[in-house]
Amino acid sequence: EDQVTQSPEALRLQEGESSSLNCSYTVSGLRGLFWYRQDPGKGPEFLFTLYSAGEEKEKERLKATLTKKESFLHITAPKPEDSATYLCAPFTGGSRLTFGEGTQLTVNP
Amino acid sequence: DGGITQSPKYLFRKEGQNVTLSCEQNLNHDAMYWYRQDPGQGLRLIYYSQIVNDFQKGDIAEGYSVSREKKESFPLTVTSAQKNPTAFYLCASSIDGGISNQPQHFGDGTRLSIL
Repeated sequence: EDQVTQSPEALRLQEGESSSLNCSYTVSGLRGLFWYRQDPGKGPEFLFTLYSAGEEKEKERLKATLTKKESFLHITAPKPEDSATYLCAPFTGGSRLTFGEGTQLTVNP
Repeated sequence: DGGITQSPKYLFRKEGQNVTLSCEQNLNHDAMYWYRQDPGQGLRLIYYSQIVNDFQKGDIAEGYSVSREKKESFPLTVTSAQKNPTAFYLCASSIDGGISNQPQHFGDGTRLSIL
């Protein structure tokens, strides 16, 4: 059974204080990983797809990286508008995704 | 604009009542999904459909039913057999059900509560 663990469950940062979120997983036949952002009362919004170990993707203050066993979402100099829950989902090429429970990020001004 | 529309945004169910949640997409995606989200439990798959007139149970299908009569539409019925229906329900779609490793895209959810 595929397992996905995200840590920490919650993270509070001051504006400008950089940090990283972790997504570790045990899946068979990994083909890549998705990162999503979810705002309260909204559906998840797609951020990145990572396909292979060593790959990096960037979008504004976010940078996602991938190894064989885990992925990191680095947040550089965050702003309050980066506050959200960040979800990861490794994929194996089938229809079904296993999502992590998410990291709830709060960035204080 | 292309996207996924879920309605209503809020829904209330009385005891013993069936309710239907609507999901429509204009992305021309083949695959559609229903998830349930509870605090601290992440997204759990209820049903999914890779093609019109076909669907499969997910991890928590008991007490739910779906239909896929049109490519654009994938309604979810929460039946009276679902004893704990209070949750945030999310509909998603993907272009080809994961064959080409494309992501799922989500609607903005329906929050269901029990009266």
